[in-house]
Amino acid sequence: GIQVEQSPPDLILQEGANSTLRCNFSDSVNNLQWFHQNPWGQLINLFYIPSGTKQNGRLSATTVATERYSLLYISSSQTTDSGVYFCAVEGDYGGSQGNLIFGKGTKLSVKP
Amino acid sequence: NAGVTQTPKFQVLKTGQSMTLQCAQDMNHEYMSWYRQDPGMGLRLIHYSVGAGITDQGEVPNGYNVSRSTTEDFPLRLLSAAPSQTSVYFCASSYSMVGGHEQYFGPGTRLTVT
Repeated sequence: GIQVEQSPPDLILQEGANSTLRCNFSDSVNNLQWFHQNPWGQLINLFYIPSGTKQNGRLSATTVATERYSLLYISSSQTTDSGVYFCAVEGDYGGSQGNLIFGKGTKLSVKP
Repeated sequence: NAGVTQTPKFQVLKTGQSMTLQCAQDMNHEYMSWYRQDPGMGLRLIHYSVGAGITDQGEVPNGYNVSRSTTEDFPLRLLSAAPSQTSVYFCASSYSMVGGHEQYFGPGTRLTVT
């Protein structure tokens, strides 16, 4: 099956700093999503981005499907950005429909 | 829209007990699924459904049953709880998965089996 690797596993930032999180995947995909799991455990949809670039406020994401990676950019980080960021993909082969394969996440801590 | 809702939020079971985790969505999504999240890990798929009356197994189905009698509801049943089933359970839904669609997750149920 598809392998999803996220880096770095842990990241500590000072408030106001910028960061880039990376997601590598081992096969072609139908679906790639970025989630933020907040300290209360809730999974918040950030981006649905199987290819291309999207922006939402201070966050943006780019997926280069041909090279099998995605990047999540966080600019001017705030303490509320703390939590775990997950990348999840769905393969485009038979039997993979709906099965999101998650990476192990990047744990982000933003210090005031 | 309430989105995807799950009940209960927390549950403690003794080994061998059974229970049902409830999941409902009001977005008329065809596709629903259950995942579990263990400490320090991403989510893993337990069971999924592509429409009412149709279910299938995911990556970690053992010890769990599902059924889908309506579009809105997708309950997950633990037949005989084991400590290995201590986890956080998430339900998700989306439109048809053909071609890939964005999935939305419920708030989760934290289950402890003693």
